[in-house]
Amino acid sequence: GAGVSQSPSNKVTEKGKDVELRCDPISGHTALYWYRQSLGQGLEFLIYFQGNSAPDKSGLPSDRFSAERTGGSVSTLTIQRTQQEDSAVYLCASSPARRGGLNNEQFFGPGTRLTVL
Amino acid sequence: DAKTTQPPSMDCAEGRAANLPCNHSTISGNEYVYWYRQIHSQGPQYIIHGLKNNETNEMASLIITEDRKSSTLILPHATLRDTAVYYCIANPSGGSNYKLTFGKGTLLTVNP
Repeated sequence: GAGVSQSPSNKVTEKGKDVELRCDPISGHTALYWYRQSLGQGLEFLIYFQGNSAPDKSGLPSDRFSAERTGGSVSTLTIQRTQQEDSAVYLCASSPARRGGLNNEQFFGPGTRLTVL
Repeated sequence: DAKTTQPPSMDCAEGRAANLPCNHSTISGNEYVYWYRQIHSQGPQYIIHGLKNNETNEMASLIITEDRKSSTLILPHATLRDTAVYYCIANPSGGSNYKLTFGKGTLLTVNP
């Protein structure tokens, strides 16, 4: 079956430009997550969407970052006025509805490698 | 979340069992042990999780000590495609447990 897909796979942009990264979660998964992973670093949580609930945006590093999820499915992460420190792999994950408070396993996409020149 | 400690690297011969240890001595009663792995240039992949009983699925087995202070992930017949960084995390049920945080993990190299 289809897994989580992300596009583009690679994005090179100039400092100061805006970028949009797209995530298509697994069909039927109500939870969607964005993370980023810088070279040699661990996973950094950015934002979490669960159904119709207000998203948890606590991981967004600045107000240049925003994300939306339309129709409970596709999500777009937007970075405005990109900076060189935004260069990283941006990972999207999805999971089925949470049961009894247990964090279900998260299914990750291949990521978008963003390079800001 | 409880801190976990893993060896930075391990080697394993193809076809042999790979046993990856993880220490989580400060784990609390409501924290599950999760294992993920990340193959080079790919997104992380969920492997298995457990609370206190040993668990097995099609990918691996998870052995958790009785005091829950450590665990071992077992890949019964390692293949070259199992070469990856393996992450052990302690993750509570409920709350903000969806925020996965990986440490350095163990780089497992499966050799032919």
